[in-house]
Amino acid sequence: QQQVKQSPQSLIVQKGGISIINCAYENTAFDYFPWYQQFPGKGPALLIAIRPDVSEKKEGRFTISFNKSAKQFSLHIMDSQPGDSATYFCAVLNSGGGADGLTFGKGTHLIIQP
Amino acid sequence: DSGVTQTPKHLITATGQRVTLRCSPRSGDLSVYWYQQSLDQGLQFLIQYYNGEERAKGNILERFSAQQFPDLHSELNLSSLELGDSALYFCASSVGLDRSTDTQYFGPGTRLTVL
Repeated sequence: QQQVKQSPQSLIVQKGGISIINCAYENTAFDYFPWYQQFPGKGPALLIAIRPDVSEKKEGRFTISFNKSAKQFSLHIMDSQPGDSATYFCAVLNSGGGADGLTFGKGTHLIIQP
Repeated sequence: DSGVTQTPKHLITATGQRVTLRCSPRSGDLSVYWYQQSLDQGLQFLIQYYNGEERAKGNILERFSAQQFPDLHSELNLSSLELGDSALYFCASSVGLDRSTDTQYFGPGTRLTVL
């Protein structure tokens, strides 16, 4: 059973456009929702993260929108640039879960066309 | 550069063999995590060590084991290898125990190919 479902699998956006990637989860015990960015040949890197006590978090051109009732969260990349082309992973965590680790979505391959 | 180093970068071996992957965390980080990334399973958490002790366990097979040494480097041992173990193995480190407040920094990974 997939604990977090990520969509779309791939996304092509024109330079300057808005890229939107969505994730949905089932377990209401999750309380930490990070997004990771991975470039080819590199390990994932934390991009931005949110906790369920806020509905939105913005860092530069990157925004997480969080809908607790719908159990969904999304990553918005404003003014998308070719350098943003990468694979993006959402993840979930029950920080009080003791022995649990991050559970990742399957990833979204984002291409920003110049 | 995340500051996490992993060796080797690539590893090619045969089914039934045993390999050891090595990870050196960032200076000052006490937690080490191991992840497996494959096309079909995606990125999966395997295990976490904190200051030499196992603290969390994910989808790690019984054929796999890990340890963290007094100098805080960690090794992931994979035995009785199968074709399906071919994957990228990432190590990550963080300063403390808290998996939600402590940023995990990922290494460049070891690509394992089992023939």
